[in-house]
Amino acid sequence: EVQLVQSGGGLVAPGESLTLSCAASGFTLTGAWVTWVRQAPGKGLEWVGRFERKSDGGTTDYGAPVKGRFTFSKDDSKNTLYLQMNSLKTEDSAVYYCFTAMTWGHGALVTVSS
Amino acid sequence: QAVVTQEPSLTVSPGGTVTLTCGSSTGTVTSGHWPYWFQQKPGQAPKTLISDTTNKHSWTPARFSGSLLGGKAALTLSGAQPEDEADYYCFLYYSGVRVFGGGTRLTVL
Repeated sequence: EVQLVQSGGGLVAPGESLTLSCAASGFTLTGAWVTWVRQAPGKGLEWVGRFERKSDGGTTDYGAPVKGRFTFSKDDSKNTLYLQMNSLKTEDSAVYYCFTAMTWGHGALVTVSS
Repeated sequence: QAVVTQEPSLTVSPGGTVTLTCGSSTGTVTSGHWPYWFQQKPGQAPKTLISDTTNKHSWTPARFSGSLLGGKAALTLSGAQPEDEADYYCFLYYSGVRVFGGGTRLTVL
């Protein structure tokens, strides 16, 4: 079965860091674009960024609200993509989703609060 | 940053047809904006319905179709079913970044 399993959400204080994981099963992430989006409670979807597949250059793009604070990385041996979030702000509180052309993850809740 | 606009809400009768649109503050939406459409039901993760303007996925019901219409991207639902009641989002590509519209809440009533 093709799926993305997300983990790593939680409660952190403003200014702290958190890493989310997006692990693929049933397919290989090396051949996929992976996009991250987020959704604050009761709000719409917001594009966080995209990790390009290796064959297309493997570059990354980030949305303006997170550029310079969030970073993607990938561990091919674990078939997992990571979203490293630094200098977190209260406005970063949201459910974070990863998705590819094939499927979506179930989401990970990040709460930034003192 | 560009602003992507969608109708905040629409209502369609069961069996009816409705078109949701996705406009851009920068002007006409083209295939070069690679429009995507997503469906989200309460408490669930979104699901991709349409990618790259018109491409359906294996799970996309045949009653949904994507197009460019009147300078916007469009999602047409023909033969609405009660289970189509959901929030629908589009996003557009602008030189390396993508921007979501605010979403359309579709009621089937």
